[in-house]
Amino acid sequence: DSGVTQTPKHLITATGQRVTLRCSPRSGDLSVYWYQQSLDQGLQFLIQYYNGEERAKGNILERFSAQQFPDLHSELNLSSLELGDSALYFCASSVDGTGDRTGELFFGEGSRLTVL
Amino acid sequence: AQSVTQLGSHVSVSEGALVLLRCNYSSSVPPYLFWYVQYPNQGLQLLLKYTTGATLVKGINGFEAEFKKSETSFHLTKPSAHMSDAAEYFCAVSLPPMNYGGSQGNLIFGKGTKLSVKP
Repeated sequence: DSGVTQTPKHLITATGQRVTLRCSPRSGDLSVYWYQQSLDQGLQFLIQYYNGEERAKGNILERFSAQQFPDLHSELNLSSLELGDSALYFCASSVDGTGDRTGELFFGEGSRLTVL
Repeated sequence: AQSVTQLGSHVSVSEGALVLLRCNYSSSVPPYLFWYVQYPNQGLQLLLKYTTGATLVKGINGFEAEFKKSETSFHLTKPSAHMSDAAEYFCAVSLPPMNYGGSQGNLIFGKGTKLSVKP
C-alpha cells in the first residue's frame, strides 16, 4: 500500500460528459502529480501541484483541469470527454526537500476511465 | 529536455534465467534515475533508484541496476527470474532537486517493457 488513495477505481461514461477523479496523497506529502496511461501513449505526465499551487504542466489538454485543496487532496476534472480519453489515470505524491526518499513518487492504484 | 528509451517492449525469459531490461536516457544534467514495476491492475511501485554515489544500485526483489554515464544507460538486471517477476517495468528520469526549475520533480517515463517468465 503506497498510501495514495484514488477514487473512483472504475468509471464508465459517455462522450461529451464530464468526470472528476479524486486523489488523497500520502500523509505529509505536499506534491501531487497526475499521469495518464494509455496503450498508445504510455505514461504521460499531466500536471503537478505543490501545496495548492500549480508547479508544472505536461501534456494536459485544455479540456482537463486540476486543483489541489487546502487539505492537500487533489481533483482532476475531465470535460467534453472523447473516446480517446479512455485511459488509466494515476495520481502520485512525493516527499519534498532533502533526504533518502527525495525524488521518489508514490503512486495510487489508478482510476480507469472508459468513455463510450 | 529529458527522455527515456526502453529497448524492447516485450521480453520473455525462462524461470531461473537472467533478466536484462534495457534503458537509455537523455538529460542535460546528471539525472536521477528510477525503475518502477507495475503488476496487472495495480499502480507503480518503486524497484530502485540512482541519485548520486555508487553506480550499482540494489533494489527490492533481487533487482539491481547500474548507472553508466558514458553509455547514458541504466539497465535493470536480476540473476535468476521468478514467475512472480512477470510484470511491466518502467524506467524513468527526473532532474535532481538543485536543478528544479519550472518542473519540480515530475518523472519522465519510458514506454515500458513487459516481462514474461516461462516455467
